[in-house]
Amino acid sequence: QSALTQPRSVSGSPGQSVTISCTGTSSDVGGYDYVSWYQQHPGKAPKLIIYDVNRRPSGVPDRFSGSKSGNTASLTISGLQAEDEADYYCCSYAGSYTIFGGGTKLTVL
Amino acid sequence: QVQLQESGPGLVKPSETLSLTCTVSGYSINDGYYWGWIRQPPGKGLEWIGNIYRSGSSYYNPSLKSRVTISVDTSKNQFSLGLTSVTAADTAVYYCARSYYGDYLASDYWGQGTLVTVSS
Repeated sequence: QSALTQPRSVSGSPGQSVTISCTGTSSDVGGYDYVSWYQQHPGKAPKLIIYDVNRRPSGVPDRFSGSKSGNTASLTISGLQAEDEADYYCCSYAGSYTIFGGGTKLTVL
Repeated sequence: QVQLQESGPGLVKPSETLSLTCTVSGYSINDGYYWGWIRQPPGKGLEWIGNIYRSGSSYYNPSLKSRVTISVDTSKNQFSLGLTSVTAADTAVYYCARSYYGDYLASDYWGQGTLVTVSS
């Protein structure tokens, strides 16, 4: 089982939008509508921000949105804020287990 | 408010068994959801270990399945992780979490994490 592929880092200025990609295969991302995204600040536990490709848990701002096309899922953060600077991880159902991406560090310039 | 708290030894010797317990408060495991474990080696990414349901039905990462056991004690509102034959590669922060699904991690509540170091 190979990890899902995410860019190591992305950056954007306050107010801008950024998109983080998560590429897998037809056996995971492409095969199911079960992709989640987590935000993790240094020294903290991950926080669920998107699940089932595009669903937001209660309390997560609608600045965060998810989508999927083929074997690639994407997380878009609009109206970037300083507090969005964090690591972001995608994960996908892979038939009988969960596989994670390697993580993307978002820097707010 | 749902809260999860990991507990267990912070240091385990190579070849021994790592044992952790997660105590849930603010929600009864008997009321539903799945309960699981995730780990993160220092400076690295997340790895799903497995989940369990109140009935005891469990789901494991195939890469760890031969060494992992997750159990649940609904009377204590706790669930536990056992990982056998540990090596330095098992050194990580171990998180427990509540999940919407059994074998797909959509976890809305997490513990703070506990660092387990494997060293002699």
